[in-house]
Amino acid sequence: AQSVTQLDSQVPVFEEAPVELRCNYSSSVSVYLFWYVQYPNQGLQLLLKYLSGSTLVKGINGFEAEFNKSQTSFHLRKPSVHISDTAEYFCAVSEGSQGNLIFGKGTKLSVKP
Amino acid sequence: DAGVTQSPTHLIKTRGQQVTLRCSPISGHKSVSWYQQVLGQGPQFIFQYYEKEERGRGNFPDRFSARQFPNYSSELNVNALLLGDSALYLCASTFDGSSGNTIYFGEGSWLTVV
Repeated sequence: AQSVTQLDSQVPVFEEAPVELRCNYSSSVSVYLFWYVQYPNQGLQLLLKYLSGSTLVKGINGFEAEFNKSQTSFHLRKPSVHISDTAEYFCAVSEGSQGNLIFGKGTKLSVKP
Repeated sequence: DAGVTQSPTHLIKTRGQQVTLRCSPISGHKSVSWYQQVLGQGPQFIFQYYEKEERGRGNFPDRFSARQFPNYSSELNVNALLLGDSALYLCASTFDGSSGNTIYFGEGSWLTVV
């Protein structure tokens, strides 16, 4: 069965510092991978997705993620964070194009001035 | 263009009652999915509908049911509410139900069971 592990439940970081949010998945078949962001009291917004091709994926708001098949990881990075990046970030996986997503438990990113 | 719209945004129900949550997908999208997000957890898949047919079901009891209408809007029903059903219920829409297409989420319906 598929599962997603987000290794850090909370990540505090200072403004303009780089950040990496870690995500590992388990699946026996090829997968699609996603990162979503959730601001307080809001729904989910897609940051980026990996379907195939280049393993480095660029998304919105300056975020990028790298798919590593051998390590079954899909870590999210940003070289310089802003206060406005404070939110909860969810990694998700689907088996191929099957429609439903399996989410991790989320990582709360807190950007301090 | 309107995004995924959900109603109501907040509601409070008593244990044992029934609740109906509503979702309108993005115009042109034919697939709707429902997710439950308990506080402090990631969303969990409940149902997916495509062209009014159930395409997938998550590990939820039979108290949970859903349907999709000819205009592609959807309702999620939960019977015999339990305290543990308190959660944010998210609706998502895609053009054809494939995760290869961008999945758009609504703002959710906050359900509190007391």
